Amino acid sequence: DAGVIQSPRHEVTEMGQEVTLRCKPISGHDYLFWYRQTMMRGLELLIYFNNNVPIDDSGMPEDRFSAKMPNASFSTLKIQPSEPRDSAVYFCASSFGAGAGANVLTFGAGSRLTVL
Amino acid sequence: GNSVTQMEGPVTLSEEAFLTINCTYTATGYPSLFWYVQYPGEGLQLLLKATKADDKGSNKGFEATYRKETTSFHLEKGSVQVSDSAVYFCALSTPTSGNQFYFGTGTSLTVIP
Repeated sequence: DAGVIQSPRHEVTEMGQEVTLRCKPISGHDYLFWYRQTMMRGLELLIYFNNNVPIDDSGMPEDRFSAKMPNASFSTLKIQPSEPRDSAVYFCASSFGAGAGANVLTFGAGSRLTVL
Repeated sequence: GNSVTQMEGPVTLSEEAFLTINCTYTATGYPSLFWYVQYPGEGLQLLLKATKADDKGSNKGFEATYRKETTSFHLEKGSVQVSDSAVYFCALSTPTSGNQFYFGTGTSLTVIP
């Protein structure tokens, strides 16, 4: 398996523009997580899905952020409109049967977003 | 609630020194415990895990033992190398928390030759 695939790896955009980040989880994984990492706030959970259904979106900063998972092999995180404070590295991660036992969270390489 | 507390960094060690990074947790139910490592410019990678009390996780010379009595999962390595320079995250996951993962703030390690 190629692991969790994220695109783009780097995105530079101007304030006010729409940004879409994409993620392909590991095949067979039924949980998908979106995290944001910044120097100031560290690693933050934004939202996670189970079987394509959003379970907890309490970490989404505000209405400018939205996430979808139309099928088991694809998810998007959209920011509209983007602001400079959204600059961060956004990670997608997936897991199978999360919880005690053999569960392992596998991360993608991240999408580095810079909003000017 | 569920949370992870790990020692503040950054940590700087000379090559071949002994490493300890402290991690304590609070959890409802019976968590699984993890150490993840993040090398510069990369995503987090699983380093080791333990799923029940007294289990010892180990990988690449790193070890951590699940101590339920002290709610701790300290990371240790007997002799660090320059290539171990990275950020280390302690984390937990528990089925009673909706299967979320809870991460510590990360500890940056720099190993100098």
